Amino acid sequence: KQEVTQIPAALSVPEGENLVLNCSFTDSAIYNLQWFRQDPGKGLTSLLLIQSSQREQTSGRLNASLDKSSGRSTLYIAASQPGDSATYLCAVRPNYGQNFVFGPGTRLSVLP
Amino acid sequence: EAGVTQFPSHSVIEKGQTVTLRCDPISGHDNLYWYRRVMGKEIKFLLHFVKESKQDESGMPNNRFLAERTGGTYSTLKVQPAELEDSGVYFCASSQVIRARTDTQYFGPGTRLTVL
Repeated sequence: KQEVTQIPAALSVPEGENLVLNCSFTDSAIYNLQWFRQDPGKGLTSLLLIQSSQREQTSGRLNASLDKSSGRSTLYIAASQPGDSATYLCAVRPNYGQNFVFGPGTRLSVLP
Repeated sequence: EAGVTQFPSHSVIEKGQTVTLRCDPISGHDNLYWYRRVMGKEIKFLLHFVKESKQDESGMPNNRFLAERTGGTYSTLKVQPAELEDSGVYFCASSQVIRARTDTQYFGPGTRLTVL
């Protein structure tokens, strides 16, 4: 059974810092991995999607890496801003057509 | 193109009452998923429709939850009777397999259910 964990559970940093969020999954046989952002009271915003054959994806100040063999992914946020404050969720899909398995999330606070 | 929509955005009911949540997937998407996040826990899968058929309902917590997708378009999730522990945010997602092994799920904004 696939399980996803995220470290740290919460993180508070001053504005401008670079930071790394970590995600681990127990079964390396995945179809893809996706990072989401959730703002309080809002839905899920997709940030980056990494297919199983890829090693990383980049979008603006965000970079996500995937190491399937070790069951890990990292989300790197460069030059953090207060607007980045949110909960970041990592989710994996075992196979296409199947549901996501979500991690518990990392709650990020970027202080001005 | 409209995204996945969910209605209502927020529902407050009393324990023992019935609530029906609705999800409208992206037009043409055969796959529809329900997830929920209860307080303090991670988002959990509830069930998966392919068109009007239930492909996987292994995540449904108990028989107080009933999901339907008549005609393979929108879906409803009914909770009857609602209990306090059902409070949380219910998300819907949809996807279409365009070709083998390409499949992106698009999530709706969620329905926040509060059971008092």
